[in-house]
Amino acid sequence: DAKTTQPNSMESNEEEPVHLPCNHSTISGTDYIHWYRQLPSQGPEYVIHGLTSNVNNRMASLAIAEDRKSSTLILHRATLRDAAVYYCILRDARLVVGTTDSWGKFQFGAGTQVVVTP
Amino acid sequence: SQTIHQWPATLVQPVGSPLSLECTVEGTSNPNLYWYRQAAGRGLQLLFYSVGIGQISSEVPQNLSASRPQDRQFILSSKKLLLSDSGFYLCAWRSPSGFTSNTDTQYFGPGTRLTVL
Repeated sequence: DAKTTQPNSMESNEEEPVHLPCNHSTISGTDYIHWYRQLPSQGPEYVIHGLTSNVNNRMASLAIAEDRKSSTLILHRATLRDAAVYYCILRDARLVVGTTDSWGKFQFGAGTQVVVTP
Repeated sequence: SQTIHQWPATLVQPVGSPLSLECTVEGTSNPNLYWYRQAAGRGLQLLFYSVGIGQISSEVPQNLSASRPQDRQFILSSKKLLLSDSGFYLCAWRSPSGFTSNTDTQYFGPGTRLTVL
């Protein structure tokens, strides 16, 4: 999977939007962009993913640049519960069946620590 | 619905003692299973993954081993713990049934916090 680059940390006030950038300049045409987040002392949880078009769900929005070399996770109204480490991950969509190939692996980087201030 | 369990939740072990952490998944068949470790303040490091019973792939050389004796059971073991084995151990699963954008999601367990003294 191609590499991603994220800022180490970001701060936001409660009730304000948070824009988390992710650079992936070596992304391939078959790479999906995934976001996970990890709350303190918990396992990561899925947030959102996309390929080319912007995506919205109940947790967040994902804005993908036209050249796909960067993306932004948007938390529309940050709450204290959104304080977590956010991971941007690229996943190759090509299918590998019936092998122990490393296709199934998710490569988690250091992520971005989001701090939400009341 | 699918659920993933890990136990114990916390563990304090002396150096040189053995280790066995267990992970079980309910509500799905033939999942891909993963063990990760997270040192304090660090990112996740993939340790092992498995695509089926008895099929284990190791990502990094280490003091640990993994086994998958049943379809939905994944065990992380060590014969002799080192101080450097301390960390937060996470088990995860994902659907193996081909790829669609909606099935390529990893689901993580609650984790085991291991302290080796």
